[in-house]
Amino acid sequence: NAGVTQTPKFRILKIGQSMTLQCAQDMNHNYMYWYRQDPGMGLKLIYYSVGAGITDKGEVPNGYNVSRSTTEDFPLRLELAAPSQTSVYFCASKRQGSGELFFGEGSRLTVL
Amino acid sequence: AQSVTQLDSQVPVFEEAPVELRCNYSSSVSVYLFWYVQYPNQGLQLLLKYLSGSTLVKGINGFEAEFNKSQTSFHLRKPSVHISDTAEYFCAVSDGGSGNTPLVFGKGTRLSVIA
Repeated sequence: NAGVTQTPKFRILKIGQSMTLQCAQDMNHNYMYWYRQDPGMGLKLIYYSVGAGITDKGEVPNGYNVSRSTTEDFPLRLELAAPSQTSVYFCASKRQGSGELFFGEGSRLTVL
Repeated sequence: AQSVTQLDSQVPVFEEAPVELRCNYSSSVSVYLFWYVQYPNQGLQLLLKYLSGSTLVKGINGFEAEFNKSQTSFHLRKPSVHISDTAEYFCAVSDGGSGNTPLVFGKGTRLSVIA
């Protein structure tokens, strides 16, 4: 029972490079989320999706893009990496009508 | 928009002592409340949740929390902590009703249990 799977677990980028963080869930959840976690700041919502083909901005969307072509996958794209995007990124999902989020193990990104 | 305040960023406590981690949220309208725990280098996992009904909620690992609507609080308690409880704890809130609004998280409280 995989739950929410994130890849890669670690990545180092140079300023200006692009990359995609992958997220997949096998629980048939409609709702998916991307959060970033910075020390002492808790988790901040980047983007979320309520179903395939539907995405919406969260609190800190600048510098990121998402797509949701299938129920299972919710990739997060960084187009021009900046040092301010150094963070740990968490993907999460939940069933419609349930408050409980299920989290992946996180992707630690460093931009140098 | 909802907001969550965790009043203590760090809480050191001796093993087998009781602990309370404090959480206040901004709105007195219908809410869903959660506590999540994060062990080092791991994702977050649910400790307990309040959706409706009894204001005293019991969770995993002996933790419990009490929903206090008049004080807009949802403090987490454990009567006797263990070394393995050392972790970061996050309080989170979402609007009640459909339960479909995104969770808003507090900044976290780092619990350190001392032998």
